[in-house]
Amino acid sequence: AQSVTQLGSHVSVSEGALVLLRCNYSSSVPPYLFWYVQYPNQGLQLLLKYTTGATLVKGINGFEAEFKKSETSFHLTKPSAHMSDAAEYFCAVRGNAGNMLTFGGGTRLMVKP
Amino acid sequence: DSGVTQTPKHLITATGQRVTLRCSPRSGDLSVYWYQQSLDQGLQFLIQYYNGEERAKGNILERFSAQQFPDLHSELNLSSLELGDSALYFCASSYRGSEPGELFFGEGSRLTVL
Repeated sequence: AQSVTQLGSHVSVSEGALVLLRCNYSSSVPPYLFWYVQYPNQGLQLLLKYTTGATLVKGINGFEAEFKKSETSFHLTKPSAHMSDAAEYFCAVRGNAGNMLTFGGGTRLMVKP
Repeated sequence: DSGVTQTPKHLITATGQRVTLRCSPRSGDLSVYWYQQSLDQGLQFLIQYYNGEERAKGNILERFSAQQFPDLHSELNLSSLELGDSALYFCASSYRGSEPGELFFGEGSRLTVL
């Protein structure tokens, strides 16, 4: 079975500061990992994904994440936060059956001016 | 705009009632997924259909059922509603059912049970 733990349900950073959102996963098979973002009153949108190959993956809006198998982690980072980054971020792992994703509890990112 | 359309956007109903949520996937997508998002449970996978056939089942209650029609739209039926069923229900679609592709989410249907 797969599971995802996101450390910190709320993260607050100042505009221009580093963004670090933490995600640890558990998977019985080689994982496919995803970060999705949810802006207020909208559905989820894919930020980036890791399937195979390079462990550092780049996504939209300047976000990137690094797959670390030894640490079972897939943390999301962005060098410089922007006000428009304020949203809820979900880490997810793909399951064995179909394309079903198991999501973490989400981290709400707040960006202070 | 993800291309996934969900109706209705908002729905208020009473306990014991039955509702149907509708989802139209992106053009050409064969897979449809239903997720429930609530404050206490987070995002929970309910069920997946691929080209009309059930592909995977998650934490879907027996009071809930879904189907995917020949035109690929899907409906989620919720019956004998309870207060705890109040949540945001998302539909997502993807082209295939078994590749690690991107899921495209609709904006959700917010169900309030009074």
